[in-house]
Amino acid sequence: EVQLVESGGGLVPPGGSLRLSCAASGFTFSRYDMHWVRQGIGQGLEWISGIGTAGDTYYPGSVKGRFTISREDDKNSLYLQVDSLRAEDTAVYYCARRFQTYDAFDIWGQGTMVTVTS
Amino acid sequence: QSVLTQPTSASGTPGQRVTLSCSGSSSNIGSNYVYWYQQLPGTAPKLLMYRNHQRPSGVPDRFSGSKSGTSASLAISGLRSEDEADYYCATWDDSLSAVVFGGGTKLTVL
Repeated sequence: EVQLVESGGGLVPPGGSLRLSCAASGFTFSRYDMHWVRQGIGQGLEWISGIGTAGDTYYPGSVKGRFTISREDDKNSLYLQVDSLRAEDTAVYYCARRFQTYDAFDIWGQGTMVTVTS
Repeated sequence: QSVLTQPTSASGTPGQRVTLSCSGSSSNIGSNYVYWYQQLPGTAPKLLMYRNHQRPSGVPDRFSGSKSGTSASLAISGLRSEDEADYYCATWDDSLSAVVFGGGTKLTVL
C-alpha cells in the first residue's frame, strides 16, 4: 500500500524548533518530488516547501530562511526542519507526493500537528 | 488572504448539480493548470482533478473541471451526501514562484 506517515509534531514555545519526518512506503521514494503543505486550524491549505529528486528545494517567501526541507532516499524519508517558530505556524503539517503524470499531489499523509505556544 | 478566491460555502440537495468557482489572475490560473482537492471532515486532502479537467483513476465522472481565462470551476452532478467536504483549487503562481491554494469552499449537502 502506498503510504506516507508524518511524525515529529508537538508543543513548542515561540522561537523554538522542530524536525518533522515523513516515512514513505509502497513506492520508489527516490523517483518522486516531495512536498510539505500545512493547514491552520479551521484554515485553508498552504504550500510550504518542495524537494526534487535531485535534492533541489523550493519554498514560498513566507517561510524561506526558517524552514528547511530535506530527504534521505536510502531511508525513504522526508524531513522538514522548522526554526524560529511563531504562533502563526501552528498547523497540521502534511507531506505529499507529487505524481509527475498528474503534475499534482496524489498521495498525502495523515498530518502531524505543530502547536506553537508559550 | 488567499491568492485564489473561492466562495466560503456552497450547498445543494441530493441529485442536484453544483458548481464551485475559483478565481485568480494572469500570473496563476491564467497561465497554469488548475488542480482540485477534496478534503472530507477530519481527513487529509485527496486529489480530485488535475490539469484543469482530468480525473485521477477512481474519481467518479460526476466530477468535472473546467478553466476559462483566469477562472476555473469544479462541477459536481448527482450530488450525494458523501460529497459533503471542503474543496480547494490550486495552481502555480509565476510571480510568487509558489504553489497557491484557494481558501476552500465548504460544500453542504442539505
